[in-house]
Amino acid sequence: GAVVSQHPSRVICKSGTSVKIECRSLDFQATTMFWYRQFPKQSLMLMATSNEGSKATYEQGVEKDKFLINHASLTLSTLTVTSAHPEDSSFYICSARTGRQNIQYFGAGTRLSVL
Amino acid sequence: DQQVKQNSPSLSVQEGRISILNCDYTNSMFDYFLWYKKYPAEGPTFLISISSIKDKNEDGRFTVFLNKSAKHLSLHIVPSQPGDSAVYFCAASRGGGGNKLTFGTGTQLKVEL
Repeated sequence: GAVVSQHPSRVICKSGTSVKIECRSLDFQATTMFWYRQFPKQSLMLMATSNEGSKATYEQGVEKDKFLINHASLTLSTLTVTSAHPEDSSFYICSARTGRQNIQYFGAGTRLSVL
Repeated sequence: DQQVKQNSPSLSVQEGRISILNCDYTNSMFDYFLWYKKYPAEGPTFLISISSIKDKNEDGRFTVFLNKSAKHLSLHIVPSQPGDSAVYFCAASRGGGGNKLTFGTGTQLKVEL
């Protein structure tokens, strides 16, 4: 199956700092990538849809100025959590869509802890 | 508002027996359903899917059943193997698995020897 790499797997940062998470499709081109967030004992919730070369589409209730998404190439999308606060601590996971199979392949996720 | 629900957080099955994982949804606009499997420290991996025009899809040991009138789907694994022990997520979408997915909270399956 297609491989999606997500980095870093875990990050601990101080409140007020910004954190960048990378999502790469390693063996296919992904015109669309998705960013999800999961709080403890809850399901994965879609935050935004990232399309190569255009602005991301954010789900209702997700602050676009806080969660900056850049999809500059067909193999890379980044999520930057700006001015992180403890309530942003969560598990963030990306996925990439292959046009061929119309399914999403997921990265391993990033555990963000904001102190 | 949890549109996709997996009411059993855990399930324990003996090796060789059938595992049945259940999922319910509330949004009648969903027309495509998927099951993902997740091991610790890894991302979810796609397992099997079904379109709303079908009521069954089979792939090897895995079969997904869809009951649209009841808004219910289930994943059957037979025979269950220890390597099947993982968290299983049900997901639903409109227009295919490449679109926005709405996930359930997952069911931890443990297959015992």
